[in-house]
Amino acid sequence: EAQVTQNPRYLITVTGKKLTVTCSQNMNHEYMSWYRQDPGLGLRQIYYSMNVEVTDKGDVPEGYKVSRKEKRNFPLILESPSPNQTSLYFCASSPGQSNQPQHFGDGTRLSIL
Amino acid sequence: ILNVEQSPQSLHVQEGDSTNFTCSFPSSNFYALHWYRWETAKSPEALFVMTLNGDEKKKGRISATLNTKEGYSYLYIKGSQPEDSATYLCAFYAGANSKLTFGKGITLSVRP
Repeated sequence: EAQVTQNPRYLITVTGKKLTVTCSQNMNHEYMSWYRQDPGLGLRQIYYSMNVEVTDKGDVPEGYKVSRKEKRNFPLILESPSPNQTSLYFCASSPGQSNQPQHFGDGTRLSIL
Repeated sequence: ILNVEQSPQSLHVQEGDSTNFTCSFPSSNFYALHWYRWETAKSPEALFVMTLNGDEKKKGRISATLNTKEGYSYLYIKGSQPEDSATYLCAFYAGANSKLTFGKGITLSVRP
């Protein structure tokens, strides 16, 4: 089954403790992206990647890192999480860029205490 | 940061009503406009990808139009059903290699 898989689905952690949210897709998609969703602010793009070893900042990249060493994986790294990074995070992928729809993962709810 | 506006913010309609939403985006550097449907406790699902001025797309009772010159897209739902209750998002690409900017979404609630 074609899918985008995120892990974990839920995480409660403390300020400053490094964490990684993994994202994997099995559709051989070139484009992958991370979003956060906050009440009243909609979906905001954190980082995106158009191919292996190519990553670019979205609208809200501060406090996050990503890597794209393999086509299928696009992990989101919070080196020193802070409470303002408490949010619902979505990973998405698509075959190309703008003229292809995004396929979203199920979301990861992060709570940073 | 590009400005993608959706209106209204929320809408409550009776089953059987038809409804429409607006997505406004910058008319310069248009490349593509996406519509997504997002049900509570699920992830967004693509409805339409539109790239050409004058595009009209249809899926069942839902259709969309695109005007790139004036910078807007309309989403129509004919004969709303309770299962249409969801948040409808539009997203805008300013160029082939640009980031994707979402609107804040429109929350539709359909009463049986």
